[in-house]
Amino acid sequence: GDSVTQMEGPVTLSEEAFLTINCTYTATGYPSLFWYVQYPGEGLQLLLKATKADDKGSNKGFEATYRKETTSFHLEKGSVQVSDSAVYFCALSPEYAGNMLTFGGGTRLMVKP
Amino acid sequence: DVKVTQSSRYLVKRTGEKVFLECVQDMDHENMFWYRQDPGLGLRLIYFSYDVKMKEKGDIPEGYSVSREKKERFSLILESASTNQTSMYLCASNSRLAGRGDEQFFGPGTRLTVL
Repeated sequence: GDSVTQMEGPVTLSEEAFLTINCTYTATGYPSLFWYVQYPGEGLQLLLKATKADDKGSNKGFEATYRKETTSFHLEKGSVQVSDSAVYFCALSPEYAGNMLTFGGGTRLMVKP
Repeated sequence: DVKVTQSSRYLVKRTGEKVFLECVQDMDHENMFWYRQDPGLGLRLIYFSYDVKMKEKGDIPEGYSVSREKKERFSLILESASTNQTSMYLCASNSRLAGRGDEQFFGPGTRLTVL
C-alpha cells in the first residue's frame, strides 16, 4: 500500500539556519503530495502542495519539489525563525482517491533564538 | 472562514467508560474523517464518512465506532475505553468534489487520556 517516510526528529536549529526535512513516498501512479504543519496546541494546516512531477510548492518561505524519479518531496527553508517551531507532516493522496491522505510520522522542528 | 471544531481539547476517562468525541464543521462538506495521532506514527485513519449515515473503516478501526446523523457532525465513540486508546484525536473534513491537490481541513484535536 501507499506509505510516506520522513526523517525522525526532533530537528533543532538556530534562528536563520537552513532547514531540510526529508520525505520519501511509495505509491502507484502519480499521487499528490503535501506538507502540513501543526503549531503547538493546534490542529494541522496545509503548508504547501504539489500535484504533478517537477511541480514546486511554496508558502511562507518554505519550498518542496515533487521528484518522481527519487519519489521524494523534501521540505526546505533558507532561514528559519523561532515562529517556525512546529511539527511538520509529509502526506500523499493517491491518484485514484484524491480526498484521502496518508501521512508520514511527523518531524518536530525546534528553532532557538 | 473555514472551521472544524471539536467538543473538547482535553478529556480524562477511566478504563471501561464509554467515550464520545464530537466534531462539527461549518463548510457543508460531505467527507469527514477521524484520525489518531501518536508520536512517530503520524496520523492514522480510524474511520471516515462520505455522507450522512455512511461510514467506512480506515486503517485502525478496532475498538472504535462512529455516527453521522447530520451532515455537519461526525462522532467518534469508544465503546469501552482502554489505556492503549490514550492519544490525540483529530477530526478533518473536505468536499465530496475534492480531487487532486485538495486539502483536508482539521480541527484543533482532543487529547484523550484513559486511566
